[in-house]
Amino acid sequence: DAGVIQSPRHEVTEMGQEVTLRCKPISGHDYLFWYRQTMMRGLELLIYFNNNVPIDDSGMPEDRFSAKMPNASFSTLKIQPSEPRDSAVYFCASRIDRAYEQYFGPGTRLTVT
Amino acid sequence: AQSVAQPEDQVNVAEGNPLTVKCTYSVSGNPYLFWYVQYPNRGLQFLLKYITGDNLVKGSYGFEAEFNKSQTSFHLKKPSALVSDSALYFCAVRDGDSGAGSYQLTFGKGTKLSVIP
Repeated sequence: DAGVIQSPRHEVTEMGQEVTLRCKPISGHDYLFWYRQTMMRGLELLIYFNNNVPIDDSGMPEDRFSAKMPNASFSTLKIQPSEPRDSAVYFCASRIDRAYEQYFGPGTRLTVT
Repeated sequence: AQSVAQPEDQVNVAEGNPLTVKCTYSVSGNPYLFWYVQYPNRGLQFLLKYITGDNLVKGSYGFEAEFNKSQTSFHLKKPSALVSDSALYFCAVRDGDSGAGSYQLTFGKGTKLSVIP
């Protein structure tokens, strides 16, 4: 199994630009989660999907953030416009309904200058 | 609400010695508990979980954890530490009695484990 795949692994952009992060969950998994990790705030859940439907987006920091899951094998997290305080590592994770643990991707390190 | 506390930001242990990384939790229902490890520039890797049953659970790489309901703790342990165990360790909890549609894990802040040769 290839595990959760994220792209790009690193992204450097200028303030005001649009950023799109991509995730491919493990095949057959029903749930997909987007997290953000910073030194100050630790690991924060942004949004999660069940069977491609957003269930809880209360962790999305503001309207500049949006996430979609058009099919079971692909999700995007978009930031528009980006700001320096969005600099963080963004993780995608997935899990299968009958299990409880989540499996994480390698993350995307985002730097907004 | 559910929460996790990892009281130590850093734990240092000599190679070959036993290690313990502490975790306490708070949930209103039955706790589902997890440990993850994060190596530098990598994603979180699942180590072990407690859902129900035996209070001592065994996981990957020789790690184990003991669930203690009265102390609301779930400490991670290993009998003999390796230098390669040096990493960031996260405890996580989910309320097992939460309804369908609420499957959020709450993570602790993490504990940096350094195993000294």
